[in-house]
Amino acid sequence: GAVVSQHPSWVICKSGTSVKIECRSLDFQATTMFWYRQFPKQSLMLMATSNEGSKATYEQGVEKDKFLINHASLTLSTLTVTSAHPEDSSFYICSARLRVATGELFFGEGSRLTVL
Amino acid sequence: AQKVTQAQTEISVVEKEDVTLDCVYETRDTTYYLFWYKQPPSGELVFLIRRNSFDEQNEISGRYSWNFQKSTSSFNFTITASQVVDSAVYFCALSEGKANSKLTFGKGITLSVRP
Repeated sequence: GAVVSQHPSWVICKSGTSVKIECRSLDFQATTMFWYRQFPKQSLMLMATSNEGSKATYEQGVEKDKFLINHASLTLSTLTVTSAHPEDSSFYICSARLRVATGELFFGEGSRLTVL
Repeated sequence: AQKVTQAQTEISVVEKEDVTLDCVYETRDTTYYLFWYKQPPSGELVFLIRRNSFDEQNEISGRYSWNFQKSTSSFNFTITASQVVDSAVYFCALSEGKANSKLTFGKGITLSVRP
């Protein structure tokens, strides 16, 4: 079946540094990918919708200059947390939609970011 | 706007008990999809079911069953004969039937199954 892979699965960084998280669709082409953020014991909150070849669409309240999203190919989207701070520590999950809009989403394994 | 309400936050049962997880949704669209996902302690989301708005048939998959009632905008999930491995957070989610529509999640229900 379809697989979405995220890397790294966990990362620890110092405050002020930037961290890049990759989301790859392994056996299908994804024109649309979604980035979610989940704080401990809370639900998943959509951060942005990433469309291949165009700018990402950010949800209200999400800083686009802080959370840079690039969807350069049909199989890869990246989320870069710039100048990370401890409050950015969270679980980031991406999901990908098949090229043909079926309503079905596939989720990555998630990336746990800890900013010291 | 779409909304998913999971009123139960935490449920604790003893192994072999049946348990029902409630989900109520709101949407103005006539075409939409409903989902249930399981999130074990490891964190990954495990897809359980997807149901489109035109299919109100209840579904059974092993110990899992789902009851979709459009009249009450509910999509409840029942686990029969629960097992310890069922312990996880369960999310109900909704997406519109458009090409790039996003998934809106409920707050999740933490299910603990005690031996």
